[in-house]
Formats: sequence, structure tokens, C-alpha cells
Amino acid sequence: QKEVEQDPGPLSVPEGAIVSLNCTYSNSAFQYFMWYRQYSRKGPELLMYTYSSGNKEDGRFTAQVDKSSKYISLFIRDSQPSDSATYLCAMSETSYDKVIFGPGTSLSVIP
Amino acid sequence: EAGVTQFPSHSVIEKGQTVTLRCDPISGHDNLYWYRRVMGKEIKFLLHFVKESKQDESGMPNNRFLAERTGGTYSTLKVQPAELEDSGVYFCASSLWSSGNTIYFGEGSWLTVV
Repeated sequence: QKEVEQDPGPLSVPEGAIVSLNCTYSNSAFQYFMWYRQYSRKGPELLMYTYSSGNKEDGRFTAQVDKSSKYISLFIRDSQPSDSATYLCAMSETSYDKVIFGPGTSLSVIP
Repeated sequence: EAGVTQFPSHSVIEKGQTVTLRCDPISGHDNLYWYRRVMGKEIKFLLHFVKESKQDESGMPNNRFLAERTGGTYSTLKVQPAELEDSGVYFCASSLWSSGNTIYFGEGSWLTVV
């Protein structure tokens, strides 16, 4: 079993839709959870960073962590064509530990 | 402020040759990481420097890979000799000592071994 599982997609939605991206993980020691966005041929860009369980909102993006279910989500409201990218969930045990990535979900927002 | 820069951006080499990838972290970032993504796989950790010291090299696949960080500034990752399965994209990332895993990635060095 992989440490971090993520539906690779591709996911295609119309502009303005709410997008839900999800990851599950197996290591209960993970405490730090991140979402990265990666455009084609570019490096990953940190979008959201959360510690332990709970919700965090930043503009159109909301990250949710449910440690009891080992499940994290990223919601994108009012999706835009510029949101078209691969979204990577990532997590680590401590704030100084190596980061473990999911395989990424490819998202296309159609105008 | 300049981001993490990597060189070369693309490299095509023959099996058995040597390639050296370079990374210049964001100025002032003590933490420097190397990650790689091979075809069809997720991004995987290779190693972590704190200044010039190797903090964690548990992800280095074998002894054909050698990473150095001279004087705690830029870093190099050498692959010698390169094998076909080394093809992929090699990412460098850096962070402030105080920010831990809030890491900033470079655009990657795309390596193709033929």
C-alpha cells in the first residue's frame, strides 16, 4: 500500500464549478498537510499548509484534514481556467521531516 | 527576490555517462532538498541538507548518486554512471531554517538517459 493515495484524474469541470480534490494516507504519524499546484513543466507551488485536523481557508481555496479518517481534501470555489494544473497533496510527520507526496490529480477547468 | 534556480533545465545523456545538476537555493535558506519524479511515479524525496551538512539522505536510490553542498550555498547532484531508469525530473527546493517544511521548489532539471 502506498503511503499517500490520490485519484490521478483527469478531472474536467466547467468554469465556476466547485472542485473537490482528495487524498488518503496510511501513516497516522503525519501531522503536517500541504497542497501544491503544479503547472505543466514547472515546479510545485505551495498552495495550502495545515497542521493536524481542521479547516483552513485562503481565498477560493479551503483545505480540510480529518486525521481520524486519514483523509484530506482541497476545495476550490468558483474555479477558473487558470486553476487548470496538477494538484499534489503532501504530508510530513514533523515540520522538519521529509515531505511525502501523492501522485497528483490533473484538473482542467473548461471556459 | 530570486527563487530556487536549477541548471540545466534539460539534459539528454547516454547510458553510462555522468551528469551534474546544480541548484541555487533562495538566499538565506539553510534547508535544501532534492526530490525527483520518474515517469509515472510520484515526487520522491532524495535528501536534505541543513547548510552544508546532510541531514537526511534516506531517499538516495544508490551509490551512483552523489550530492554536495559547498559552503552551505549551492548544491550539486551528480549521477555517475547514469542508467535508463534515472530519467525523470529532478527538483530542488529550499526553506528557511525556521520554516521547516514550507519549502519552495525550483522548476526542475529534466533528465533523459538514452
